[in-house]
Amino acid sequence: SQQGEEDPQALSIQEGENATMNCSYKTSINNLQWYRQNSGRGLVHLILIRSNEREKHSGRLRVTLDTSKKSSSLLITASRAADTASYFCAAAEGNDYKLSFGAGTTVTVRA
Amino acid sequence: DTAVSQTPKYLVTQMGNDKSIKCEQNLGHDTMYWYKQDSKKFLKIMFSYNNKELIINETVPNRFSPKSPDKAHLNLHINSLELGDSAVYFCASSQVFEGGPEYNEQFFGPGTRLTVL
Repeated sequence: SQQGEEDPQALSIQEGENATMNCSYKTSINNLQWYRQNSGRGLVHLILIRSNEREKHSGRLRVTLDTSKKSSSLLITASRAADTASYFCAAAEGNDYKLSFGAGTTVTVRA
Repeated sequence: DTAVSQTPKYLVTQMGNDKSIKCEQNLGHDTMYWYKQDSKKFLKIMFSYNNKELIINETVPNRFSPKSPDKAHLNLHINSLELGDSAVYFCASSQVFEGGPEYNEQFFGPGTRLTVL
């Protein structure tokens, strides 16, 4: 079953603007991860936030996690054309090694 | 330098054929995975091996058989291919037991686009 669900499905912004996407999941998690997929390529790990963390930063990325609402958000600040990609959240359930991915948010950054 | 590699990149074949996809990782990871991504970009885990032992086996038709000759390789063999098998198949790896599931960052290969005619 699909654990993570992203919202919105698609997002189009101007270069320099911020992009925010949300992810909801169903069961308790060990950690939640965000991945980026450029067209025709494999997924690239961006950031991992553990269940006891609430916020994490990596460069222009900011991830929050609200375990009470079973939701996470990914913020990309000062977007660039190179940020155009699909972004996926992936929930790691309990002590399982399995990641359950959402359907992704397609982000288009216009120059 | 390629961390996780897959061959072939593209595979076009007729219904009913048997085909294999190979995956190799040079990261020294102990765990490897196969995922299927459909046309709507849903990514679903199929199998996972840890040190050549099957640890995840989702509800996948038994026409799909993974094989791990060593911990750096995980191949996927598909028998009697069907139209619905058309998708992009991704291999991934991670180092799980060193840090445990909470450090399970996965490294993905470039994918194999399978088209069944």
